[in-house]
This record gives sequence, structure tokens and C-alpha cells, in this order.
Amino acid sequence: EDQVTQSPEALRLQEGESSSLNCSYTVSGLRGLFWYRQDPGKGPEFLFTLYSAGEEKEKERLKATLTKKESFLHITAPKPEDSATYLCAVQSSSGTYKYIFGTGTRLKVLA
Amino acid sequence: DTGVSQDPRHKITKRGQNVTFRCDPISEHNRLYWYRQTLGQGPEFLTYFQNEAQLEKSRLLSDRFSAERPKGSFSTLEIQRTEQGDSAMYLCASSRDRGNVNYGYTFGSGTRLTVV
Repeated sequence: EDQVTQSPEALRLQEGESSSLNCSYTVSGLRGLFWYRQDPGKGPEFLFTLYSAGEEKEKERLKATLTKKESFLHITAPKPEDSATYLCAVQSSSGTYKYIFGTGTRLKVLA
Repeated sequence: DTGVSQDPRHKITKRGQNVTFRCDPISEHNRLYWYRQTLGQGPEFLTYFQNEAQLEKSRLLSDRFSAERPKGSFSTLEIQRTEQGDSAMYLCASSRDRGNVNYGYTFGSGTRLTVV
């Protein structure tokens, strides 16, 4: 069964303190791995798509990487406005287009 | 491109009542998805459409739930005889996947349902 596990559940950082979020997955063939940001009371906002092991994507202070078993979202010198829940999802290549989401990492960046 | 629109944003209903939510996807997107999210959890897949065809339904989608996408445009999700366990955020998303090229979902802001 396809599964996504995110860690840690919650993370508190001081402004400027870099860290990484982990997304471990098992899937019967990976079509894509996705990172989203979600603010309270809002829908998830798309960040990155990764397709194959070794791939990396960057956007401002965020960098996503992918191996055959996990993905990392690296946050460099975070600011308070980076506080949000970060969701990871996978899409199987088995013919479905649905995403399997993890439970997310709640990030709080303190000024 | 005005994004994915969902209406209403919030709905409070009494147990046993029927509710209907609407989703307007991004106009050029061919796939539309419904997800449900409860507090502290990631979104859970309910169903998706390619144009007007409903191609997959989750086991979570009991016979009290029905979704439609007439003419491949907007979609509605109806819940009949609501139960307190139906309280959640209902998220709609759309995508413009073409074959194996995957552009990722764009989500709406969701409809928060509270069953009292």
C-alpha cells in the first residue's frame, strides 16, 4: 500500500536557523513527489514537483531533494513568514492520478 | 487565471441535513479532484474527474456522498444525511496533466463543514 510519513510532526526554529524536513515514502512506482505549503484555514499551495532520484528544485529559501526512499525540504535562513504546515504527497505510476499525502510538518519560525 | 474557487467557504448544518458544495476549477485544467482534510491530518482523496467522467472514487466516499461534473466544467459534491463525522475541510483541486506530464494540483481555499 502506498504510504507517506513526514517528520518531525512539529518544528520550532529561530529566525535564520536552517533545518530540514523529511518525507519518507513507499509507492508502487513513483510518477511524482510533491511539496505543498498550507497556511491555517487555507488550501495547500504548490511548491515543487520531483520526478526521479537525484533531482533537486529550489525556490527562494527552500530546496527540495529526492532519493528512492525519501525527500527532504531544506529551509535555509528561515523567516517568520515561512511558518506554515509543509505537506508531502506522492503520486503512483500505477494508473491513478490521486495523491497520497503525509500528515505534514508544522513549522514555526520565531523572530 | 483566477485560481480554483470553492463555495461556500464555511457551512454549518444540523445532523441529518443535506449539503452541497461547488468547485470552479481553472478553466484550462482537464482534471478535477475532491479531498477531505481533518484537523492535524493531510488531505485524503475522495474522487476525481477527467473532463466530465468520474474515473476514481475512494472507499471513503460512502453512498451518502455524490459528486458530479456536468459538461466538464464546475463540480458539485453533495453529502446526504450529514453526520458529525463529516465535519472537515473539503478541498477541490484541478490540474492540467497531459499524458505522463504532471504539472501538480492547484487547490482551492476549501469549504469548512461543521455538522452540529
